[in-house]
Amino acid sequence: EPEVTQTPSHQVTQMGQEVILRCVPISNHLYFYWYRQILGQKVEFLVSFYNNEISEKSEIFDDQFSVERPDGSNFTLKIRSTKLEDSAMYFCASSEAREGIQYFGAGTRLSVL
Amino acid sequence: AQTVTQSQPEMSVQEAETVTLSCTYDTSESDYYLFWYKQPPSRQMILVIRQEAYKQQNATENRFSVNFQKAAKSFSLKISDSQLGDAAMYFCAYRSPWFSQGGSEKLVFGKGTKLTVNP
Repeated sequence: EPEVTQTPSHQVTQMGQEVILRCVPISNHLYFYWYRQILGQKVEFLVSFYNNEISEKSEIFDDQFSVERPDGSNFTLKIRSTKLEDSAMYFCASSEAREGIQYFGAGTRLSVL
Repeated sequence: AQTVTQSQPEMSVQEAETVTLSCTYDTSESDYYLFWYKQPPSRQMILVIRQEAYKQQNATENRFSVNFQKAAKSFSLKISDSQLGDAAMYFCAYRSPWFSQGGSEKLVFGKGTKLTVNP
């Protein structure tokens, strides 16, 4: 069964460094999402992406964040200058249609030291 | 803004028994979708069941069923004949239909309920 894959599973970085989290959505899916979960808190929506554009973003998704689909298979989340509070589990998801089921990856745990 | 509340941080059940996980939500919309996702340890979240608010009939998927009470804004998940493989974190989630005034693609999640299945 097709899966959303995320790499790496765990990323450790120093405060102020740039990180790129990578996701390979399911191949025929057109809508892509990033969510995050800070330890002990709810899973929160960050951004949705369709047709090479951000279609929706949350208040969390400020200028430090960006998303990109650099080729036909990858979907990336970049954090330009990481802060301690960016430490969280980041989930990528994709869906075939806007109203479709969102399929999630296993997540990347980002630790900012 | 919509909110989702799961009041049970942890639940446990004996193998082969039935367990019900609670979820309540707050919204002013009349049309929306509700979901239960399951996340086994270190694995991705997978969809267990989905309910459209306009459908009065409760959704069912094999051993999983929901009790959808629209007026009470309640959406509980019942797992029958629990199996060891059901042990996971369960998340309740809400989504507005994109065509509605408050339309959105985002899922709004509860905090999750950790389910343990005892042999």
